[in-house]
This record gives sequence, structure tokens and C-alpha cells, in this order.
Amino acid sequence: AQSVTQLGSHVSVSEGALVLLRCNYSSSVPPYLFWYVQYPNQGLQLLLKYTTGATLVKGINGFEAEFKKSETSFHLTKPSAHMSDAAEYFCAVTLSGGYQKVTFGTGTKLQVIP
Amino acid sequence: DSGVTQTPKHLITATGQRVTLRCSPRSGDLSVYWYQQSLDQGLQFLIHYYNGEERAKGNILERFSAQQFPDLHSELNLSSLELGDSALYFCASSVGAGGFEETQYFGPGTRLLVL
Repeated sequence: AQSVTQLGSHVSVSEGALVLLRCNYSSSVPPYLFWYVQYPNQGLQLLLKYTTGATLVKGINGFEAEFKKSETSFHLTKPSAHMSDAAEYFCAVTLSGGYQKVTFGTGTKLQVIP
Repeated sequence: DSGVTQTPKHLITATGQRVTLRCSPRSGDLSVYWYQQSLDQGLQFLIHYYNGEERAKGNILERFSAQQFPDLHSELNLSSLELGDSALYFCASSVGAGGFEETQYFGPGTRLLVL
């Protein structure tokens, strides 16, 4: 079985500050990991994914995440927050070879303060 | 605009009723996925169809069923509705069978309220 835990249901950062959203996973086998973003009143959008290979994954909108097996973590970062980054972010995991049977975290709402 | 359309946008119904949610994938996409987002359960994967055939099932209740038609649109049928079924239902589509090399596109969702 797999699961993800997102630390902090709400995170506030100042515009221009570092964004760090935390995600830890639990899996008995190497997982595949994702970050999704949901803007208000919109559907989900995939930010980035880790499948195999390089553990530092770059995504859209300047976000990146690093898969750390020893820490069972997949934290999402962005060097400088922008007002348009205000949204809800979901970490997700699957053990399948594709988008099937993805298990989502509970989400972190990011507030960007001007 | 992702190119995935969902109808209706909003749906209000009563307990015990049955509703049908519709999803039209992006042109050329063969896979459709359904998800439920509720306050109680969070985001959950429900089911995946590829070219008309069911490929994977998640936490989908027996009262719920889905199908994908020859024109590739999909419908999610929810019956014997309960208050707890109130949620946002998303569909997504991708071009192939759902491998990671594909991009998954999400629709705007159907908001269901059961009274």
C-alpha cells in the first residue's frame, strides 16, 4: 500500500520568498511521485513527476522537487514566490506504471503575501 | 482551457436519486480518468478507461458506475445518492493508455450537491 503525507494544510510566504511544500511518502517498493496544482475553481494540473532517473525533477512555472529515498520525501520548492502561485498543491503517489491508482495527499494551500 | 469538457458544471439533487456526469476528452485522447474531490475523503482516483475498456479501478463505490463510449466520451453514473456523495467530480484525459510519457489533462469538474 502507498500513502503520502503533506505537512501543513496552509503555508504563507511573502512574494519573492522561497516556497517549500513538504511531502513524505510511504511505500514498500520504489514509488512514482507527483505534484499537482489546483487553482481556485479549476481542475488539477500536473506540475512535475518523478518516475525514474534523475532525482531532481524540474516542472512547470519554476517549480522543482527532489526525490530523497533515505528520507522518503518529495518536497516541492520554488526559489521565488509569485502572486500567481497562490493555489492548492497536492502530492501524489502510485505504484503502477502510469496515472492509474494514484493516491493523493490532503493538499497544502499556498498563500502569497504581497 | 485544457480541452477536456465536463457537463453539467453544477448539479443539485436529492438523496436516493441517480445522476449522470459526462466527460468529453481532448480530441484524439483515448484515456479517460475519473476522480472525486470531497471534504471528507479528499481527492480520490475512481476509475480509468482506455479506448472503451476499463483499465483500473480505485475507490469507486458499487453504487457508482462508468463507461466510455465508441466516440470516447465517458459517463459516470451515481445512483442511490447519499449526502456524502456531495463532491467535485473531475475527469481527465490522456492520449494513450496512461503511461508516464503522456500528459494528463483535467477538466473543470462537475460540482454535485446532494440534499
